[in-house]
Amino acid sequence: ILNVEQSPQSLHVQEGDSTNFTCSFPSSNFYALHWYRWETAKSPEALFVMTLNGDEKKKGRISATLNTKEGYSYLYIKGSQPEDSATYLCSRPPGTYKYIFGTGTRLKVLA
Amino acid sequence: SQTIHQWPATLVQPVGSPLSLECTVEGTSNPNLYWYRQAAGRGLQLLFYSVGIGQISSEVPQNLSASRPQDRQFILSSKKLLLSDSGFYLCAWSVRRAWERRGVTDTQYFGPGTRLTVL
Repeated sequence: ILNVEQSPQSLHVQEGDSTNFTCSFPSSNFYALHWYRWETAKSPEALFVMTLNGDEKKKGRISATLNTKEGYSYLYIKGSQPEDSATYLCSRPPGTYKYIFGTGTRLKVLA
Repeated sequence: SQTIHQWPATLVQPVGSPLSLECTVEGTSNPNLYWYRQAAGRGLQLLFYSVGIGQISSEVPQNLSASRPQDRQFILSSKKLLLSDSGFYLCAWSVRRAWERRGVTDTQYFGPGTRLTVL
C-alpha cells in the first residue's frame, strides 16, 4: 500500500506570517502529485498538479515544489491571510485512475 | 459550466439499513467518476471509480457497491450498513481525455459531500 504522509497535522499561524508544510511519498513509480485546498463547508478544490522533478508551481501567494527523487513536495503560503484557513491535501496516484490522499494539514490563520 | 450535485447532504441511518447516495454531473459528457470516503481522523479514501456507463472499479473490499446507470450519474449503495460506514462521502469527476489513459494528471472536481452517521 502506498502511503502519503503530510506534516504537520495542524498548524496555527498569525496573519501575515509565511508558512509551509510537507507531503511525503514513496519515490518509486511516480506519476504525478496533486495539491488540493479544502475549506470548511466547501468541496476540495484543486491547487496544483506537478509531474516533473524540480517542478515549481505558483498561484497568487501559494506555491509548491516537487522532489520526486527523495519523495516530497512542499506547499508554501506567503503572507498568510484568514481566508487561507483550510485543510491542504496532497494526492499521489500510484496507477491508473487511482488516487491516494494524505490526511491533510489543517491550517488556521489567526487575525 | 460544470456542476456536480450530491444528495442527501446529511443522513442518519441505523445499523443494518440500506443506503443509496446519488451523484450527478452537469455540463460535461463522458466524465470519469469517483466515490471517496473520509472517516474520522483519516484521509480521503478512494472507494470506486468509473470510466464509463456500467464500468465500475472497486478499490476497497467492503459492503458498499457502486453503479453508473447513466453517463453522468453515479450511485453508492449498501444493502446493510455497518457502524464503520460512518463518514463523509464525496463524489468527484474528472475530464476523460483520450490521450491520458492513466488519468494520473487529471484534476478532480468534488461535490458538496454527504455526512453519513450510522447508529
